[in-house]
Amino acid sequence: QVQLQVSGPGLVKPSETLSLTCTVSGGSISSGGYYWGWIRQPPGKGLEWIGTIYYNGNTYYDPSLKSRVTISVDKSKNQFSLKLNSVTAADTAVYYCARRYPGTYFDSWGQGTLVTVSS
Amino acid sequence: EIVLTQSPATLSLSPGERATLSCRASQSVSTYLAWYQQKPGQAPRLLIYDASNRATGIPARFSGSGSGTDFTLTISSLEPEDFAVYYCQQRSNWPPFTFGQGTRLEIK
Repeated sequence: QVQLQVSGPGLVKPSETLSLTCTVSGGSISSGGYYWGWIRQPPGKGLEWIGTIYYNGNTYYDPSLKSRVTISVDKSKNQFSLKLNSVTAADTAVYYCARRYPGTYFDSWGQGTLVTVSS
Repeated sequence: EIVLTQSPATLSLSPGERATLSCRASQSVSTYLAWYQQKPGQAPRLLIYDASNRATGIPARFSGSGSGTDFTLTISSLEPEDFAVYYCQQRSNWPPFTFGQGTRLEIK
């Protein structure tokens, strides 16, 4: 049973870069042909897809965030990461990492972490 | 971008009653639609995939139907643990994946 665990700072200053890591256990991130992605949820609001990286390194981003987002994989640590630069208060949200097999949906999720953008 | 609109925003029912939640897409998504359940402080959980297939471990009281632009999630007889927020999500045309705004199912 794969498990995903999000880690990273809970407070980021405006205009700085938000950086989160998702550690995968119970399975290798570089095998199995999965997509690994990030989804966020502003307080009291719905779910927003941020982007996804395929196990081969191909990335896909939400067009509205594409200019500020980078998702990468560290196979040696079985982790994938999110960087969102030039953050504002609108980026305050619970950030989830999740797994998806091609042609399917997000079937495994990390626990989520609240990131607050504030000075 | 495909927009998903869920209705109603809030549904107030009692345990044992039948719940019917709706999700409408701005253009056809065929049957490439999923439903998730989210409880407070928890990550979403996949309930239904490809419009009508229950995910692993999901009770039979949950069912999904629809195709094209109109979809329904039905909970045949509500259990206390079913009161939560439900989201639909499409994978027909991505990026981006899009979610509906959610339906809150609350105890009456």
